[in-house]
Amino acid sequence: EDQVTQSPEALRLQEGESSSLNCSYTVSGLRGLFWYRQDPGKGPEFLFTLYSAGEEKEKERLKATLTKKESFLHITAPKPEDSATYLCAVPTKGGSNYKLTFGKGTLLTVNP
Amino acid sequence: NAGVTQTPKFQVLKTGQSMTLQCAQDMNHEYMSWYRQDPGMGLRLIHYSVGAGITDQGEVPNGYNVSRSTTEDFPLRLLSAAPSQTSVYFCASSRQALYGYTFGSGTRLTVV
Repeated sequence: EDQVTQSPEALRLQEGESSSLNCSYTVSGLRGLFWYRQDPGKGPEFLFTLYSAGEEKEKERLKATLTKKESFLHITAPKPEDSATYLCAVPTKGGSNYKLTFGKGTLLTVNP
Repeated sequence: NAGVTQTPKFQVLKTGQSMTLQCAQDMNHEYMSWYRQDPGMGLRLIHYSVGAGITDQGEVPNGYNVSRSTTEDFPLRLLSAAPSQTSVYFCASSRQALYGYTFGSGTRLTVV
């Protein structure tokens, strides 16, 4: 069964304290891995797509990496405004079409 | 450019009532989907559509109906609301299933 697992469920950091979030997946034939950010009361906002092992994408203090089994979202010198829930998702086959399956997310809190 | 527009933003229903959650996008996206988000459960796919006239079931389709008569609109109908359908509902669209999704701002539904 296709699965997406994120860890930790919650992470609390001090401002400037770098760390990583993990997204592991079991999917036959990966067709991409997506990272989203979700602020309270809002819809998820697209961050990155990674398509192949070894690929990396960066945006400000965030860098996403991909291996054959998992993806990491590295947060360098975070600021309080980086506080949000971070979601990863992979396309999974549903019948003849692909659908996006999400992990449960990591709630990141960055304290000033 | 409005992106994905969901209405209403909040709704309270009585058990047994029916209603339609509206979703419209102005990006000419073929792929649209409906998710519900519950605490501890993450985003779960209800129904999705790969183009006008084509819909398919997701992970939790029971109690919900959809149709896609135009590229722009993808309404979600609750046939007979139940307290278990209390949730936040998100509509999303994409050029295709393997591209980044754009999410709406959500509808918070309470069934009493």
